[in-house]
Amino acid sequence: KAGVTQTPRYLIKTRGQQVTLSCSPISGHRSVSWYQQTPGQGLQFLFEYFSETQRNKGNFPGRFSGRQFSNSRSEMNVSTLELGDSALYLCASSWGGGNEQFFGPGTRLTVL
Amino acid sequence: AQRVTQPEKLLSVFKGAPVELKCNYSYSGSPELFWYVQYSRQRLQLLLRHISRESIKGFTADLNKGETSFHLKKPFAQEEDSAMYYCALRGGGSQGNLIFGKGTKLSVKP
Repeated sequence: KAGVTQTPRYLIKTRGQQVTLSCSPISGHRSVSWYQQTPGQGLQFLFEYFSETQRNKGNFPGRFSGRQFSNSRSEMNVSTLELGDSALYLCASSWGGGNEQFFGPGTRLTVL
Repeated sequence: AQRVTQPEKLLSVFKGAPVELKCNYSYSGSPELFWYVQYSRQRLQLLLRHISRESIKGFTADLNKGETSFHLKKPFAQEEDSAMYYCALRGGGSQGNLIFGKGTKLSVKP
């Protein structure tokens, strides 16, 4: 079956702009989690959505938000971009969150 | 606070040598521990989880609650084991929030 897909794969934005990233989970998976990966902080949990509801949230400012649609696809949005938001954003899907998480290839965001 | 510590950024061994990747965690309850691996140009993928108690690709990991450790071991390293290894913790329940360590890069030399 097809794996987790993320679009776009690469993105360049400037400070102050906003960005929307998309994640399509494996068919049948209802949980989507988002992570930020940077060289300094490593992999950090952003939030998790399950059946269109945010179930968990990491320690990130309100500029980071997300949503999940009825087909389980998820988007995350970052408003008022800062240089420090440059990172690889990974999403992972699982059947129910507590099961094995399958990761996508990530979206590389560069903020200039 | 929940925390995962991987003390080694880089571990270099020769082929055939034993490997031990260290992982220590901080969690007050009963955590679920995982090892994830990322091979060059591939996605992050689950290697093993402590509740499965199985050996994957020759790797094993035992949860030691007394020492709050979950070290990854393999008796004889292979060149194809070269990758980034991440230890992760989930604080119980059926939720999808993993706390990751910063990773250890394993390099297996011929």
